[in-house]
Amino acid sequence: QKEVEQNSGPLSVPEGAIASLNCTYSDRVSQSFFWYRQYSGKSPELIMSIYSNGDKEDGRFTAQLNKASQYVSLLIRDSQPSDSATYLCAVNLALSGGYNKLIFGAGTRLAVHP
Amino acid sequence: KAGVTQTPRYLIKTRGQQVTLSCSPISGHRSVSWYQQTPGQGLQFLFEYFSETQRNKGNFPGRFSGRQFSNSRSEMNVSTLELGDSALYLCASSLGQEGQPQHFGDGTRLSIL
Repeated sequence: QKEVEQNSGPLSVPEGAIASLNCTYSDRVSQSFFWYRQYSGKSPELIMSIYSNGDKEDGRFTAQLNKASQYVSLLIRDSQPSDSATYLCAVNLALSGGYNKLIFGAGTRLAVHP
Repeated sequence: KAGVTQTPRYLIKTRGQQVTLSCSPISGHRSVSWYQQTPGQGLQFLFEYFSETQRNKGNFPGRFSGRQFSNSRSEMNVSTLELGDSALYLCASSLGQEGQPQHFGDGTRLSIL
């Protein structure tokens, strides 16, 4: 089982719709979770971090965390073509030496069509 | 505030050579992590440095090494380059406490001929 799993996509949504991106992780004691956006040919850009169960909203983005189910998701409301990118889920695995060893999922490619 | 700066942006090397990549973190950030990104393997953790000490290490061979200087700048060295080392090498910095988010530089694209 991979430590962090994401559906590779592509996830295709129409402009203005809600895009829902999902991620599961294997380490039960992980405490820190991050979503990065990566445009083709560019480096990952941090868009959300979440540490507690529940929802965290930032503009059109909402991150949701459920530690009991080992599940973290990202919702993008009012999706725009400029949101088309690969979204990477990253987990700080507490059992892997601590601190800042981020384990990344393979990424979900999102395509927003006009 | 300046972001993470990586140099050079592009490198072309041949098999057997060695290469050194540089990373300057965001001002005030003491942790620098290095990652390798390839189409097949995705983003993989190489190592993390904090206060000039390697704090974490990924599953890469000893040909991959790094160091951090007192000003938090970091270098990564790859010796005896192989074709499979062709990748985007990314550096990320953070304040260093557990759970602090990491911010990436633009990366160095390394091509091995």
